[in-house]
Amino acid sequence: AQKITQTQPGMFVQEKEAVTLDCTYDTSDPSYGLFWYKQPSSGEMIFLIYQGSYDQQNATEGRYSLNFQKARKSANLVISASQLGDSAMYFCAMRERFAGNQFYFGTGTSLTVIP
Amino acid sequence: SAVISQKPSRDICQRGTSLTIQCQVDSQVTMMFWYRQQPGQSLTLIATANQGSEATYESGFVIDKFPISRPNLTFSTLTVSNMSPEDSSIYLCSVEDVDTRETQYFGPGTRLLVL
Repeated sequence: AQKITQTQPGMFVQEKEAVTLDCTYDTSDPSYGLFWYKQPSSGEMIFLIYQGSYDQQNATEGRYSLNFQKARKSANLVISASQLGDSAMYFCAMRERFAGNQFYFGTGTSLTVIP
Repeated sequence: SAVISQKPSRDICQRGTSLTIQCQVDSQVTMMFWYRQQPGQSLTLIATANQGSEATYESGFVIDKFPISRPNLTFSTLTVSNMSPEDSSIYLCSVEDVDTRETQYFGPGTRLLVL
């Protein structure tokens, strides 16, 4: 089974609107971390936000928030007030605490912000 | 977060040749990671490099094809040997956050095209 599933290959959003990028995960490890990265066309992987499995509150970082629903095993990224510079690939990732150091990445969602 | 640089940023190589990619971090880190991102794909971990020991390779990757050096706590190299067009990818190095050891931060990547 896939560790990380991103079902939206491509998304479009109007500038200044909010957008939600979906991510579901699969693990039996009770302790894990969930991450979102942004990859612009330059290729660099930019860390956006982190959510620990024991965190009670949803993580927020500026315009980014992570909608963490543990029972549903989902970790959706919400970007508020989209900007043209948000156009990029977005990857969801997971790290299992007791399964080594490997990050599992999803297949990514391409976000295009329309002016 | 650590500042990570990679050299070269991009290269075009002939099949059968080898390329060594350098990764430099601005702080001492225990583990460094090397990833491959084939065109239109997600990231795949190649190996984990610890200072003073042999790198640990993931399934599907072997030392003869991807030799790694880790001479000190701020530097690592990845060599792509006997290249073929299938090796055309972005190669990224990453390090763990020094304080939390949770998040991985990535270098800018090396875009490799093999003709």
